[in-house]
Amino acid sequence: QQQVKQSPQSLIVQKGGIPIINCAYENTAFDYFPWYQQFPGKGPALLIAIRPDVSEKKEGRFTISFNKSAKQFSLHIMDSQPGDSATYFCAASIRGNTGKLIFGQGTTLQVKP
Amino acid sequence: GAVVSQHPSRVICKSGTSVKIECRSLDFQATTMFWYRQFPKQSLMLMATSNEGSKATYEQGVEKDKFLINHASLTLSTLTVTSAHPEDSSFYICSARTGGKETQYFGPGTRLLVL
Repeated sequence: QQQVKQSPQSLIVQKGGIPIINCAYENTAFDYFPWYQQFPGKGPALLIAIRPDVSEKKEGRFTISFNKSAKQFSLHIMDSQPGDSATYFCAASIRGNTGKLIFGQGTTLQVKP
Repeated sequence: GAVVSQHPSRVICKSGTSVKIECRSLDFQATTMFWYRQFPKQSLMLMATSNEGSKATYEQGVEKDKFLINHASLTLSTLTVTSAHPEDSSFYICSARTGGKETQYFGPGTRLLVL
């Protein structure tokens, strides 16, 4: 019940395309859902995060869509660029808890020029 | 703001030796720090959670006597891999958060290679 399932494992799009990465969870106590971007050999960097009382959040070219009833959330990258090629992780945590993040399995995105 | 550093970035050591990795929050007070381990092409695996001035809480399956964590100040946590073996070779990443906020800021990671 503590798992966060992420798909697809890898994704290839052309420059300008809109890659979509999906995550699903079971634990309804989760109330904070961040997305992280990680380049090879680097630590993850926070991209955008959402709480379950909001159905969509946009920051720049990154948008999170959240479906509370389905217990799913997704990341959309608008007008994707080769520089967006990286591994993306979704995560979830419970407010007021230790702050422990449960990570998805990761999606490796390649944006072709 | 919210910068977390790690030192060293890469370390090579002989089997049986101990290695210390430092994690620092440069511009905020990190009341809680987390240590993760990441194998190639895999997700981050939480090893332990540490609150400043308290003993670390280890995840199931993580040997507390092998991975010693100290969080003595609000800006510094250390992970010591004792008697390292080749199977301990991995990418170790720390993260930090402040107060009751959920956002975790990650360090750049430390690549450990045990020969």
